[in-house]
Amino acid sequence: DAKTTQPTSMDCAEGRAANLPCNHSTISGNEYVYWYRQIHSQGPQYIIHGLKNNETNEMASLIITEDRKSSTLILPHATLRDTAVYYCIVKDYGQNFVFGPGTRLSVLP
Amino acid sequence: DAGVIQSPRHEVTEMGQEVTLRCKPISGHNSLFWYRQTMMRGLELLIYFNNNVPIDDSGMPEDRFSAKMPNASFSTLKIQPSEPRDSAVYFCASSLGLAGGPHYFGPGTRLTVL
Repeated sequence: DAKTTQPTSMDCAEGRAANLPCNHSTISGNEYVYWYRQIHSQGPQYIIHGLKNNETNEMASLIITEDRKSSTLILPHATLRDTAVYYCIVKDYGQNFVFGPGTRLSVLP
Repeated sequence: DAGVIQSPRHEVTEMGQEVTLRCKPISGHNSLFWYRQTMMRGLELLIYFNNNVPIDDSGMPEDRFSAKMPNASFSTLKIQPSEPRDSAVYFCASSLGLAGGPHYFGPGTRLTVL
């Protein structure tokens, strides 16, 4: 059974914030939420990860709900180069990454 | 930092031939992972090493596949003999430790077996 549920695809206007949701209702206390993206024909790229608190780095922000059953990846000002498949992965430190189908984000001019 | 380096970037071969894919992890990283990506199955973990030792090869599809890591800066994934169903993009990734740090992926090798 998949640990996460993501929409198959989303569109976002260039320059606007892209908010990508992820449901992980069965997440356990030791499991982190990771986000990766894969731009066409490239290797997956690590974006951000978190456990309980919201996180921010130079690429994105990660908002995790208080009950940790869902999260949102925010790209504050999407550009055309952010068009990619975005993967939300839940795992604890001893587990391997399992990549699902992800969300295909299209940033439109 | 050069990132994870993979070679070749593209490989076209004929069924039955031996194929060797190469990977140089990020300097200082002590865990290395081989993944395969296809349209049908998505991104799958094949095998991973920690401190040059294979830890879990349960994802290796069959005996035709083998992987080695002779030192901390080099790994190979070999397919012998290759089959058309092995056509895929093969990614190598490295991380600092096994304890869940992010994986940093290479650009991949696109393998086509005719």
